Amino acid sequence: GAGVSQSPRYKVTKRGQDVALRCDPISGHVSLYWYRQALGQGPEFLTYFNYEAQQDKSGLPNDRFSAERPEGSISTLTIQRTEQRDSAMYRCASSLIQGDGYTFGSGTRLTVV
Amino acid sequence: AQTVTQSQPEMSVQEAETVTLSCTYDTSENNYYLFWYKQPPSRQMILVIRQEAYKQQNATENRFSVNFQKAAKSFSLKISDSQLGDTAMYFCASSPYNQGGKLIFGQGTELSVKP
Repeated sequence: GAGVSQSPRYKVTKRGQDVALRCDPISGHVSLYWYRQALGQGPEFLTYFNYEAQQDKSGLPNDRFSAERPEGSISTLTIQRTEQRDSAMYRCASSLIQGDGYTFGSGTRLTVV
Repeated sequence: AQTVTQSQPEMSVQEAETVTLSCTYDTSENNYYLFWYKQPPSRQMILVIRQEAYKQQNATENRFSVNFQKAAKSFSLKISDSQLGDTAMYFCASSPYNQGGKLIFGQGTELSVKP
C-alpha cells in the first residue's frame, strides 16, 4: 500500500483480555518497528524486525508482550492479560533501509478498562 | 543508555516569525542519525528533517533547518516564517548506526503558532 496501515484504529478492552494489534508496512520495506506512546510523551521503542527476523525485543516491557512478522510483511503485536497500564497509542513504522527515514502508521489507541 | 533531551516543554511564536527548538542527546557512538518529527493534533508522526552525524553541513528542508553541533551533542530545529499549520508537538530523535535503526525520542516540545 501507499502508507503504513494499522488496525484497529481504536481498541477498548477489559482488563485481563488479550489483544492483537496489526501493522501492514509499506510494500518492500525491510525493517518494521513497534513503538508505544503515552499521552504527552515521546514514543518508546518496543521491538523491530528485519524481514521476518525479530532483531531486538529489548523494549518489550514484560513477557505479556510479543510480536511476530512471519512472512516478512504484516506484523502483529500481541498483549496478553492486558492491564490498565498498557493503555497507550501503539505505533508501527517501516523503513526501506536503516536511517533512511521512517514512515509511521496512524497508530492504534488502546484503552484497557 | 542513549538519551535525548528536549528542555522546552512548550513554546509559542507569532505567525511569520522564527523559532528555534532545542535538543541535546547523549551517545557514545560516533555514527548515528538525528531526526525531527512533527506530531500535529491529528497525532500523525511526520518526518520534518534528517541529519547524518558524519555530515558537517546542516540539513535544510524549505523553512526548516537544523543547527547540528556534534561536539556539543546538540541538534536544534529552526523554523522560519512560522505558519499556523506548524502548530504541533515536535520530537527530536536519535538513531545509532549499530542499533538497527531504532529511534530514541525526546519528550517533545509543544509549539503554538499564534496569528
